[in-house]
Amino acid sequence: DAKTTQPNSMESNEEEPVHLPCNHSTISGTDYIHWYRQLPSQGPEYVIHGLTSNVNNRMASLAIAEDRKSSTLILHRATLRDAAVYYCILRDAGGTSYGKLTFGQGTILTVHP
Amino acid sequence: NAGVTQTPKFQVLKTGQSMTLQCAQDMNHEYMSWYRQDPGMGLRLIHYSVGAGITDQGEVPNGYNVSRSTTEDFPLRLLSAAPSQTSVYFCASSYSGGLNEKLFFGSGTQLSVL
Repeated sequence: DAKTTQPNSMESNEEEPVHLPCNHSTISGTDYIHWYRQLPSQGPEYVIHGLTSNVNNRMASLAIAEDRKSSTLILHRATLRDAAVYYCILRDAGGTSYGKLTFGQGTILTVHP
Repeated sequence: NAGVTQTPKFQVLKTGQSMTLQCAQDMNHEYMSWYRQDPGMGLRLIHYSVGAGITDQGEVPNGYNVSRSTTEDFPLRLLSAAPSQTSVYFCASSYSGGLNEKLFFGSGTQLSVL
């Protein structure tokens, strides 16, 4: 399974933008980049995903580098409810288990009032 | 829609006991899966199913059984609980498990084995 590297933790102030980086230098051409987040005592929640082009939805934006070796999840205005662990995940067709999400350690995002 | 529903939310077992964790989804998803999350770690796949009557092992299947008799339900059975199975268990589903799909997760079952 392709691997990702994320910072262990990041901090932000409320109502400021947050840029969460992810490196995936071994990504292959068919790997999708997915982001999930996990709030305390809850199950993971889908945030966004993309393949090559930048993506926007109501929760966030995903900026994908031209060589696809890195990506950035952008929360445009952080709120206290955005405090969570954010996971950057590559979904690849070559995995041993169909449909599997490979979770790393993720980035713990702290949002200050 | 309720989404993915897991029961119970909490369970305490003694070593050697058996139990079934329930998972149900009302989105008509063909793909369902079970993950476990140990403290401070990411989730690991236990078993998955791509449709009724079809199941397969994930990366940590030992000590667990699954079956899929209906599209809606995907129970996880612990045959003889061990302290190493103390964890939080999450069920997840998606339309077909494809790379371009998002997974919907339940709220989890916290299991303690004494």
